[in-house]
Amino acid sequence: GAGVSQTPSNKVTEKGKYVELRCDPISGHTALYWYRQSLGQGPEFLIYFQGTGAADDSGLPNDRFFAVRPEGSVSTLKIQRTERGDSAVYLCASSLGLAGGDTQYFGPGTRLTVL
Amino acid sequence: GENVEQHPSTLSVQEGDSAVIKCTYSDSASNYFPWYKQELGKRPQLIIDIRSNVGEKKDQRIAVTLNKTAKHFSLHITETQPEDSAVYFCAATPDTGGFKTIFGAGTRLFVKA
Repeated sequence: GAGVSQTPSNKVTEKGKYVELRCDPISGHTALYWYRQSLGQGPEFLIYFQGTGAADDSGLPNDRFFAVRPEGSVSTLKIQRTERGDSAVYLCASSLGLAGGDTQYFGPGTRLTVL
Repeated sequence: GENVEQHPSTLSVQEGDSAVIKCTYSDSASNYFPWYKQELGKRPQLIIDIRSNVGEKKDQRIAVTLNKTAKHFSLHITETQPEDSAVYFCAATPDTGGFKTIFGAGTRLFVKA
């Protein structure tokens, strides 16, 4: 079926604004991950879901970041009071969720620019 | 928590030569080690992975080795081609008890024709 999709592909916002980034995982994948990738760096783990629950949110940098996955499929990453340092590519990935060793399939990312 | 270090940050080789990228990890609970290739402006894509019960795995021109005692693993690309030019990331994940994946900082590989 279709791969992981993310919307929007690009988001430009002003400092202090609120943004939502959406991820549609591969159908049937119970595990969903959010990463942040800054220029020249590897993906930085933010949070992962197993079904509807956030199984590990230890990578969220502060309480301005929040993510939900209410029906166990689509997930939304929410960032309040955006700061210039939040500018990065936000990647979503999904996997079957049977084990930590499942292959993660990445989406194309959302490039967030905070002016 | 887990920390993954990757070397070198940049690697330039002549077409046909071999390329080796090395990673070390800190958490002995990590049992799954994937390698991803990311071309400019594209998403990371898995190219090969290895689990802790295996010391080496090969897929055509790509091989990965794992030394669990020393906590390091390496990617080997033989007979490099210009299309191998990309950024390569190693990662470490616990196979059970959680799926948190920690990535290395990446190696930018240039293959000169």
